Amino acid sequence: TQLLEQSPQFLSIQEGENLTVYCNSSSVFSSLQWYRQEPGEGPVLLVTVVTGGEVKKLKRLTFQFGDARKDSSLHITAAQPGDTGLYLCAATDSWGKLQFGAGTQVVVTP
Amino acid sequence: DARVTQTPRHKVTEMGQEVTMRCQPILGHNTVFWYRQTMMQGLELLAYFRNRAPLDDSGMPKDRFSAEMPDATLATLKIQPSEPRDSAVYFCASGLGQGVITNTEAFFGQGTRLTVV
Repeated sequence: TQLLEQSPQFLSIQEGENLTVYCNSSSVFSSLQWYRQEPGEGPVLLVTVVTGGEVKKLKRLTFQFGDARKDSSLHITAAQPGDTGLYLCAATDSWGKLQFGAGTQVVVTP
Repeated sequence: DARVTQTPRHKVTEMGQEVTMRCQPILGHNTVFWYRQTMMQGLELLAYFRNRAPLDDSGMPKDRFSAEMPDATLATLKIQPSEPRDSAVYFCASGLGQGVITNTEAFFGQGTRLTVV
């Protein structure tokens, strides 16, 4: 059983459209991270959210941490081909291990 | 430009051979993670170290995998003997953490793509 469930698994959209990906868990976390991974590379940290209800913006990316600190979402406005990649959420479990969700593969076509 | 360095980037080996993967964490980072990534399983945590001490290696098959940190600038992951099912991309990541239960931000290397034939 995955600690972090991500949905959808795959998302294909046209340039200029908006998209949202989700990360859910039954566990409460002190913080949660989002990473993006491109082919042939390791994941790159995008953001860490810490406070329940927190919203962070990174250019066209908006990250939200749920009030109960069990879930998070990533919204991309006016997606561009450069946003293509595997989006991963991660959090530290009760054993101190940094665990990742399975990821959402996003493809943005021109 | 600080980054995690992994070698080799690619490795093809025959079943039964020993494989050693190396990682140089970012200078000053006290936490090192080893992950394995496959299409089926995603990113699986194999082991992690804090201040060079192994904190958890429950994700590793103990009979064939071993992870060590001979010093603060080098982490190694060995597989002996290797099997075709070990084929995957192995990532090392480093970060700064305090205490055991802490949400350490991880900085990843480019990975070692291992193929066991």
